[in-house]
Amino acid sequence: GAVVSQHPSWVICKSGTSVKIECRSLDFQATTMFWYRQFPKQSLMLMATSNEGSKATYEQGVEKDKFLINHASLTLSTLTVTSAHPEDSSFYICSASPSGGRNEQFFGPGTRLTVL
Amino acid sequence: QKEVEQDPGPLSVPEGAIVSLNCTYSNSAFQYFMWYRQYSRKGPELLMYTYSSGNKEDGRFTAQVDKSSKYISLFIRDSQPSDSATYLCAMNSWGKLQFGAGTQVVVTP
Repeated sequence: GAVVSQHPSWVICKSGTSVKIECRSLDFQATTMFWYRQFPKQSLMLMATSNEGSKATYEQGVEKDKFLINHASLTLSTLTVTSAHPEDSSFYICSASPSGGRNEQFFGPGTRLTVL
Repeated sequence: QKEVEQDPGPLSVPEGAIVSLNCTYSNSAFQYFMWYRQYSRKGPELLMYTYSSGNKEDGRFTAQVDKSSKYISLFIRDSQPSDSATYLCAMNSWGKLQFGAGTQVVVTP
């Protein structure tokens, strides 16, 4: 149990285009989902926390207009990187925390974004 | 000073040895402690989840929490080459996780 999927697993796009990444909890409902970014050989950096049905909470220094987050249901959150630039190239990972008071976070497999 | 300190390694051990990993933290409000394993280019996988001081065992893995010393450990018995990965400690009181830097472990055949 506690499986989280991400789609796509990797994407290459041209500079200036937008890319949408989906995060789904497959066998549990998640009131809260988190989006992280990870650079090579570094730990995870939290970008934003999204709660189902409400606006995401962004960490300091993360541009909310550039990284659009939508958490439309208890099993799906999306991250859209708008007007992508090469410096947005990174490994993006989502996690989901089960509803009902449990505190663990279960991570998706990650999405590698390369912006040319 | 970071809230969670973890030696990044690398830590190299021979197959069959015990792997010993640890983290220290400064925030006494942390109540929930997790260990994740991350293979290269993959998402972290939850290995252990504890919320009280003491030991928790799951197969070859043992997690220890000492809240009085603000110190947590993960032990991997009978290590295998497939255990080679980065191990991240994480903790919170609720909501956002605070991660350690991750320790790279290499188990050599």
